[in-house]
Amino acid sequence: QKEVEQNSGPLSVPEGAIASLNCTYSDRGSQSFFWYRQYSGKSPELIMSIYSNGDKEDGRFTAQLNKASQYVSLLIRDSQPSDSATYLCAGVPHQAGTALIFGKGTTLSVSS
Amino acid sequence: GAGVSQSPRYKVAKRGQDVALRCDPISGHVSLFWYQQALGQGPEFLTYFQNEAQLDKSGLPSDRFFAERPEGSVSTLKIQRTQQEDSAVYLCASSPLGTANTGELFFGEGSRLTVL
Repeated sequence: QKEVEQNSGPLSVPEGAIASLNCTYSDRGSQSFFWYRQYSGKSPELIMSIYSNGDKEDGRFTAQLNKASQYVSLLIRDSQPSDSATYLCAGVPHQAGTALIFGKGTTLSVSS
Repeated sequence: GAGVSQSPRYKVAKRGQDVALRCDPISGHVSLFWYQQALGQGPEFLTYFQNEAQLDKSGLPSDRFFAERPEGSVSTLKIQRTQQEDSAVYLCASSPLGTANTGELFFGEGSRLTVL
């Protein structure tokens, strides 16, 4: 069973702080990973993708991938109350024809 | 339409009733996925279509669950003889790519099913 594991939280940070969200995966052959944001009662929305080891930055968001440690993270700088949501980590399995696997999600709360 | 459209948004069913959930993907999207999301959990894969072909139904929890996409566009997820454990949000997602191995999915708002 290929798995993606996340701490469900909640993770609480003050406005302006850095929020760090973490994820581990079991499928060593997985090559690509994604972070989705899901507001309460809404559908998941893709915010970041990462395909190679290292960091990928997009505005206030930085995704990090370490394939040796099978570890993915998302950093949110200058956190805003509007960032309060559940963040889902997901990975594409190595096996061809297999759909995206999601973690349980980490709930982030940013207080003003 | 501009996005993935699902209906109904909310459905309350009595235990044992049959339900049908509809998904209208983004026009031209080849791939269509159904996921089930229980409260406080991440989406769990149910089934995948490439055009009208159902290439993977390994996530369907029982033979009470059935999905179709007869003309390669709109899809229907049918649940027969609903049980309380079927209560969840059913998410439909589409992708322009013709492969299940993609992480760039466009999700609909979901259909929230409550079985009493």
